[in-house]
Amino acid sequence: AQKITQTQPGMFVQEKEAVTLDCTYDTSDQSYGLFWYKQPSSGEMIFLIYQGSYDEQNATEGRYSLNFQKARKSANLVISASQLGDSAMYFCAMREVTSGTYKYIFGTGTRLKVLA
Amino acid sequence: SAVISQKPSRDICQRGTSLTIQCQVDSQVTMMFWYRQQPGQSLTLIATANQGSEATYESGFVIDKFPISRPNLTFSTLTVSNMSPEDSSIYLCSVYVNTEAFFGQGTRLTVV
Repeated sequence: AQKITQTQPGMFVQEKEAVTLDCTYDTSDQSYGLFWYKQPSSGEMIFLIYQGSYDEQNATEGRYSLNFQKARKSANLVISASQLGDSAMYFCAMREVTSGTYKYIFGTGTRLKVLA
Repeated sequence: SAVISQKPSRDICQRGTSLTIQCQVDSQVTMMFWYRQQPGQSLTLIATANQGSEATYESGFVIDKFPISRPNLTFSTLTVSNMSPEDSSIYLCSVYVNTEAFFGQGTRLTVV
């Protein structure tokens, strides 16, 4: 079974509008971390935002916020005031501990295109 | 935070040859991780490299195909051996610092 599910292979958003990228996860661990990364066409992975499983408040980093709904096991990324430079692949990831080692599991990604 | 320098950034290689990818971290880290991202797909963990011990490979990846070295706490190499076109991917190294994974710039490999 998929541990990280991103159901939107591609999304379009008009410049200056907000967009939500969906992510659901599956884990039986009590302690875990949820992350969003941006991957431009150049290939590097850029950290955007982190949410710990015990964090009660939703994480925010500038124009990025994470809508964390623990009971629903969802961790959606909200980008406000979209910019043309936001066009990229976005990956949701979960960090869990397996055999005493941290491991990251990535979703399949969502390709976001910002329209002028 | 951590800054990772990964080389080469891209290469085009003939099938049957091997390519070694290097990652240098600006701080000492216990574990380094190597990922593969096939075209249009997500990241898949190849192996975890600890300094002073053999790397731990994930299911579907073997040492003969992807030998890894980890001579010290700031450096690691991944070799893609006897390459075929199916090995065409982006390869990324990564380290964990506190709660965050940091990535190298990636190596875009094309096998012809």
